[in-house]
Amino acid sequence: EIVMTQSPATLSVSPGERATFSCRASQSVRSNLAWYQQKPGQAPRLLIYGASTRATGIPARFSGSGSGTEFTLTISSLQSEDLAVYYCQQYNNWPPKTFGQGTKVEIK
Amino acid sequence: QVQLVQSGAQVKKPGSSVKVSCKASGDTFNSYTISWVRQAPGQGLEWMGRIIPVLGIATYAQEFQGRVTITADKSTSTAYMELSSLGSEDTAVYYCARGFGNWNLFYFDYWGQGTLVTVST
Repeated sequence: EIVMTQSPATLSVSPGERATFSCRASQSVRSNLAWYQQKPGQAPRLLIYGASTRATGIPARFSGSGSGTEFTLTISSLQSEDLAVYYCQQYNNWPPKTFGQGTKVEIK
Repeated sequence: QVQLVQSGAQVKKPGSSVKVSCKASGDTFNSYTISWVRQAPGQGLEWMGRIIPVLGIATYAQEFQGRVTITADKSTSTAYMELSSLGSEDTAVYYCARGFGNWNLFYFDYWGQGTLVTVST
């Protein structure tokens, strides 16, 4: 089973600054990686699929990159509403159950 | 507009079972999978299993084998997740989510609002 490891566990960023966090797979998942945003008290929301394609309605300040085992999610200019936990998920290998443990973004 | 609307919160006794429903709109049942994902308080996301509604085939994560049953009623576009032999560790928010991709490899493009299940004496 593929293990997904996210870092850091918590990231504190000032509004307007760039936020960058990582997701690493224990073996190659090609570009079959998705990112989700979960705001407090809400269900997760799809941000990125195919490692770099923004889902419908997702602002351009969110971008994903990477392939194989190393992936990055970047928020180019953090807004207060971006306070959330961000999860990555691989869907290259069965079972597609492997989520990372999440990165919590705090507003400094 | 795709919507997944789940049933309301439940409180259950240890050892009992719980059944949560997820009603889907749009073309979901004809072309996509429905998964169940749970989240214990303060914890991450845990995939439990998925069903292919058009075929009625369900597959479960190893951790839940023998304890979870996922079904789908095509006539009402409603998926169900039943979890038995509940313990306190099953206290969590349970989400249904639509899988986009193929039957076995997918990401989750739409999510239900979540159903809180509390297991308590």
